[in-house]
Amino acid sequence: ILNVEQSPQSLHVQEGDSTNFTCSFPSSNFYALHWYRWETAKSPEALFVMTLNGDEKKKGRISATLNTKEGYSYLYIKGSQPEDSATYLCARTGNQFYFGTGTSLTVIP
Amino acid sequence: NAGVTQTPKFRVLKTGQSMTLLCAQDMNHEYMYWYRQDPGMGLRLIHYSVGEGTTAKGEVPDGYNVSRLKKQNFLLGLESAAPSQTSVYFCAGGRSSYEQYFGPGTRLTVT
Repeated sequence: ILNVEQSPQSLHVQEGDSTNFTCSFPSSNFYALHWYRWETAKSPEALFVMTLNGDEKKKGRISATLNTKEGYSYLYIKGSQPEDSATYLCARTGNQFYFGTGTSLTVIP
Repeated sequence: NAGVTQTPKFRVLKTGQSMTLLCAQDMNHEYMYWYRQDPGMGLRLIHYSVGEGTTAKGEVPDGYNVSRLKKQNFLLGLESAAPSQTSVYFCAGGRSSYEQYFGPGTRLTVT
């Protein structure tokens, strides 16, 4: 089992604040790192896939970075909005997906 | 194009009963996966398939069986349900090992 850890477990921020969370993973036998957004009562939706050390991806106000040598990825949300409230999952792929337990984000209007 | 669908959406079973969950996809996915999601545990892989006729065990395969007789369908079977199998089950599919599209989930309660 390749443990993927996410921190913090939960986060409450005010609307307009910027925030970030961390995904840590074993760096050996690395293939890709995935970020998903998971709203309550829905299914996970893919945000980013990153494969190379130093990769940076951006989608609107959300961006992510990857450091495969030290085994971590950051997800950033700029100017959080209430609709950003969700659980953000990361997953590491080797021969299968290994998911972290997620960071639950609540954006308070 | 319905994407990834799961049948049923909800089910209540008694201990010892059997059932089959169906995952269907119309996106020509080679890879298909079954996960269970429990509070505080995240998504845990039960079984997966890398193509028609192939299956492999994931992290928590005990008590489950799967079949992939047709490329578009991935079935998850519980032969003798136990309360520990109460969970939300998610199916996912992808054209490569780098992508996963998730179904809407099946909420199973075993009493």
